[in-house]
Amino acid sequence: DVKVTQSSRYLVKRTGEKVFLECVQDMDHENMFWYRQDPGLGLRLIYFSYDVKMKEKGDIPEGYSVSREKKERFSLILESASTNQTSMYLCASSLGGGLYGYTFGSGTRLTVV
Amino acid sequence: DQQVKQNSPSLSVQEGRISILNCDYTNSMFDYFLWYKKYPAEGPTFLISISSIKDKNEDGRFTVFLNKSAKHLSLHIVPSQPGDSAVYFCAATGNGQNFVFGPGTRLSVLP
Repeated sequence: DVKVTQSSRYLVKRTGEKVFLECVQDMDHENMFWYRQDPGLGLRLIYFSYDVKMKEKGDIPEGYSVSREKKERFSLILESASTNQTSMYLCASSLGGGLYGYTFGSGTRLTVV
Repeated sequence: DQQVKQNSPSLSVQEGRISILNCDYTNSMFDYFLWYKKYPAEGPTFLISISSIKDKNEDGRFTVFLNKSAKHLSLHIVPSQPGDSAVYFCAATGNGQNFVFGPGTRLSVLP
């Protein structure tokens, strides 16, 4: 069974902390994505990557950065966590074509206090 | 401005009846559409898709209809089952790589 695995289901961090969210996929997919999900706003794209060491800004990149050193791993970094970054974070991967969209991880519920 | 809209935040349907979830989009470059289903504490899972060259796609109890002139698509679930209770997201793409998601509709199927 193909998988996208996010390292933590729940995280609580303090304001100002540097936060790392890890995502690993075992499907040899080229494309990887980070979204955040907020009520009434749906899924908003933070960053994405089409290849190793490649990254592109999504719709809401401010306050975030990413790292993709290996094809299977895509990390989201909150440089200095703030309370408005409390959200559900979803990682996804895709093969490159649109036929089946993305495979999503189970999500990380991040609370910044 | 949202390019993909789902104007009903929630919908309640009786078990066995039809559920109709609606989605509107504004970008005429979108040519491929998907529906995802999301249970609490899980990631969204792919449900059904449709290309702009078609106006209907069916998969078991799920049918998606596309009206390109109206920039509208809908998901029909017949018959609805309690296990269908979830949040449904509509998503669209114009390049086959990046998808734009709607805000979601929470479906509750009542026994």
